Amino acid sequence: GQNIDQPTEMTATEGAIVQINCTYQTSGFNGLFWYQQHAGEAPTFLSYNVLDGLEEKGRFSSFLSRSKGYSYLLLKELQMKDSASYLCAAIDSNYQLIWGAGTKLIIKP
Amino acid sequence: GAVVSQHPSWVICKSGTSVKIECRSLDFQATTMFWYRQFPKQSLMLMATSNEGSKATYEQGVEKDKFLINHASLTLSTLTVTSAHPEDSSFYICSAKETSWHEQFFGPGTRLTVL
Repeated sequence: GQNIDQPTEMTATEGAIVQINCTYQTSGFNGLFWYQQHAGEAPTFLSYNVLDGLEEKGRFSSFLSRSKGYSYLLLKELQMKDSASYLCAAIDSNYQLIWGAGTKLIIKP
Repeated sequence: GAVVSQHPSWVICKSGTSVKIECRSLDFQATTMFWYRQFPKQSLMLMATSNEGSKATYEQGVEKDKFLINHASLTLSTLTVTSAHPEDSSFYICSAKETSWHEQFFGPGTRLTVL
């Protein structure tokens, strides 16, 4: 079956760095997304990786290893507004999105 | 990025009534639209995928006669919750993409409360 695993919840301190991991098993693979979702709001796009390596966008970076079925989202210089759920989603061979359950990130002062 | 709107943002209705939610792509042609449901503190659950001009493909366990989806144009899809009951109360979110895109763009969501 197809599956996405990510931690349920993480806690970090304002100004610090946090890494949210995601492992996936899909039938075929056409890329992986990270989305941010604040409580009561719809998800917003953060990144898309289809090739191995690190993609950096300001304070957020996303890494992919296709051979290991692994990705992570790295958040630097954490701010209180980064408190949200972070959703990992992989695209399978049918171009369907397989969603993880999300990681709730709690930022403490 | 591309913009997707949803209307209404929230709706409260009595049990047994039907509710229609609209999803519009404002600056691109949404060849494919997706409808999701999200219960509190849970992840997104895909309900159905619709391609413009075709019947929607429903996920297992989603009643197609209860959740009517229409995707009649490249900019509009509607979800009608027929004979809504309190257990249908949820956050309904649509997303849309063009054929060649990988990324889906999400609407702001509609919070449905059925009394």
